[in-house]
Amino acid sequence: NAGVTQTPKFQVLKTGQSMTLQCAQDMNHEYMSWYRQDPGMGLRLIHYSVGAGITDQGEVPNGYNVSRSTTEDFPLRLLSAAPSQTSVYFCASSRVAGGFDSPLHFGNGTRLTVT
Amino acid sequence: AQSVAQPEDQVNVAEGNPLTVKCTYSVSGNPYLFWYVQYPNRGLQFLLKYITGDNLVKGSYGFEAEFNKSQTSFHLKKPSALVSDSALYFCAVRGDGGSYIPTFGRGTSLIVHP
Repeated sequence: NAGVTQTPKFQVLKTGQSMTLQCAQDMNHEYMSWYRQDPGMGLRLIHYSVGAGITDQGEVPNGYNVSRSTTEDFPLRLLSAAPSQTSVYFCASSRVAGGFDSPLHFGNGTRLTVT
Repeated sequence: AQSVAQPEDQVNVAEGNPLTVKCTYSVSGNPYLFWYVQYPNRGLQFLLKYITGDNLVKGSYGFEAEFNKSQTSFHLKKPSALVSDSALYFCAVRGDGGSYIPTFGRGTSLIVHP
């Protein structure tokens, strides 16, 4: 049981480039989400999804797109990378059917540097 | 709107001493409270949760948390700290009167000195 898998682990981009951060989970979780973690800022929610075909914006969605075509996958796209998007990105998932007490399961993160 | 406060950015404790990491919250409806731990270069790992029932919740690695409804607090505790407990700790909350999306505190860095 792999849990939540994020790829790549590290990425360096030049300003203006685009890329996709991959996230996959094998726990049949309905809820999936993307966070960014910056020093002193805690975790900030970028986008989330409560099921295939359903996505919504979080606290800091600008510059990012998501899609949810399957239950398992929830890729995060950076449309035109900017230095302000330098961060560590985490994908997390949980069961919705399990109720409000289902904890989030996190991937090990993608460290992104935009130069 | 729901919120979580972790009033200490950093907690220092000597190995073998008890530790407390503080968390207070505000939600609509009944609270569902969680503690997570993050070791360097890793994702967050679930430690323990409170739903309803006993106010003292036991979790992984010898950690426990005390729920206090009147003070809207959920402090993380351990009777005897280990150097290996040094990590970043996050408190999170959902309220069943609001959104399923959890709200996280900003995190507390726990440093256990040998």
